[in-house]
Amino acid sequence: DSGVTQTPKHLITATGQRVTLRCSPRSGDLSVYWYQQSLDQGLQFLIQYYNGEERAKGNILERFSAQQFPDLHSELNLSSLELGDSALYFCASSVGTAGTQYFGPGTRLLVL
Amino acid sequence: DQQVKQNSPSLSVQEGRISILNCDYTNSMFDYFLWYKKYPAEGPTFLISISSIKDKNEDGRFTVFLNKSAKHLSLHIVPSQPGDSAVYFCAASPTGTASKLTFGTGTRLQVTL
Repeated sequence: DSGVTQTPKHLITATGQRVTLRCSPRSGDLSVYWYQQSLDQGLQFLIQYYNGEERAKGNILERFSAQQFPDLHSELNLSSLELGDSALYFCASSVGTAGTQYFGPGTRLLVL
Repeated sequence: DQQVKQNSPSLSVQEGRISILNCDYTNSMFDYFLWYKKYPAEGPTFLISISSIKDKNEDGRFTVFLNKSAKHLSLHIVPSQPGDSAVYFCAASPTGTASKLTFGTGTRLQVTL
């Protein structure tokens, strides 16, 4: 158990809909990262927050947004969902801005 | 454009033998490399890392080798154990740290008895 929690574990929704994925980092970690893993692909870095502020951005679509709240949990919002958004979404956390990342178990999103 | 490539989707090794997992990268800006292990229904777990100023890093049964001129790294597991059966991802960063990681597609290692 990495100490990083993600909810929900599974999510099934329809095209055009909007969903919110939630992540609670390990106690004491200030950075939260979001990754997307599509079928047969590596994990793609989406975005990093550090202590409530956006720190780094990867290949995140404009339809996707994230935020980190004062209690340090983070949410990833996916809107106008398309079939191709079906993937595993991982959250990770680290103490500082660039330390070892500890991953949650992921949220599996299926868009029908 | 896959900047980090793991060309072997799977590998089977007998218990006690050496497992060698390979990874190639194309971005010459990458200067920090990591290996993660992933069991089913769990997130990836950090295993070992190497900075581009080194060519080898060892941690117990795990050794990572880096060949910068060939843009190639490998993970050696000696001796392999059944509990090592998992998917192994290599990852790379251009920041000298474990941030802004680009992951490969993974190699599934099966250690047989």
